[in-house]
Amino acid sequence: GQNIDQPTEMTATEGAIVQINCTYQTSGFNGLFWYQQHAGEAPTFLSYNVLDGLEEKGRFSSFLSRSKGYSYLLLKELQMKDSASYLCAITYQKVTFGTGTKLQVIP
Amino acid sequence: DSGVTQTPKHLITATGQRVTLRCSPRSGDLSVYWYQQSLDQGLQFLIQYYNGEERAKGNILERFSAQQFPDLHSELNLSSLELGDSALYFCASSVGQEANYGYTFGSGTRLTVV
Repeated sequence: GQNIDQPTEMTATEGAIVQINCTYQTSGFNGLFWYQQHAGEAPTFLSYNVLDGLEEKGRFSSFLSRSKGYSYLLLKELQMKDSASYLCAITYQKVTFGTGTKLQVIP
Repeated sequence: DSGVTQTPKHLITATGQRVTLRCSPRSGDLSVYWYQQSLDQGLQFLIQYYNGEERAKGNILERFSAQQFPDLHSELNLSSLELGDSALYFCASSVGQEANYGYTFGSGTRLTVV
């Protein structure tokens, strides 16, 4: 099976940088997703990592270390609209989501 | 608009009743996935269909069932509803059997059991 751990909540200041960590244990691994979910809305795709290393996409970057079972999502130049839950998910036969990290961006 | 259509958006029903949630996948996607998200809970995988056939099963209760029709739309049937079934139910779709390039989620159906 799969087990995913993320911090429950984080708070960061507008304009700053925040790193959201995700650790996982899994019997198999195809890739790791990060999704953003605003309250009451559908998750939206942010990134997908298959190989070790950093993937950069605008203000968002995602890092993966398969040997350590570890990933992080880096959000730069935080904006108020970035207040949302960030879901880490691993894919192996099916996609398993973590419970998410609720990020609050404050002025 | 993600291209994945879920209806209805909201549903209020009484305990013991039966409801059907509907999902039309994005054009070209053959896989449909159903997820349940209770308040402050993560997305719980229920079931996946690929091209009309059940492909993977998660923590789906026996009171719940699903199917995918020849036109690829899917329905999730929830019966003998309990208060604890109140949740957001999301449908997602992907092109292939494995969601290696991510899902596209629908906007969800909010089910309230009273």
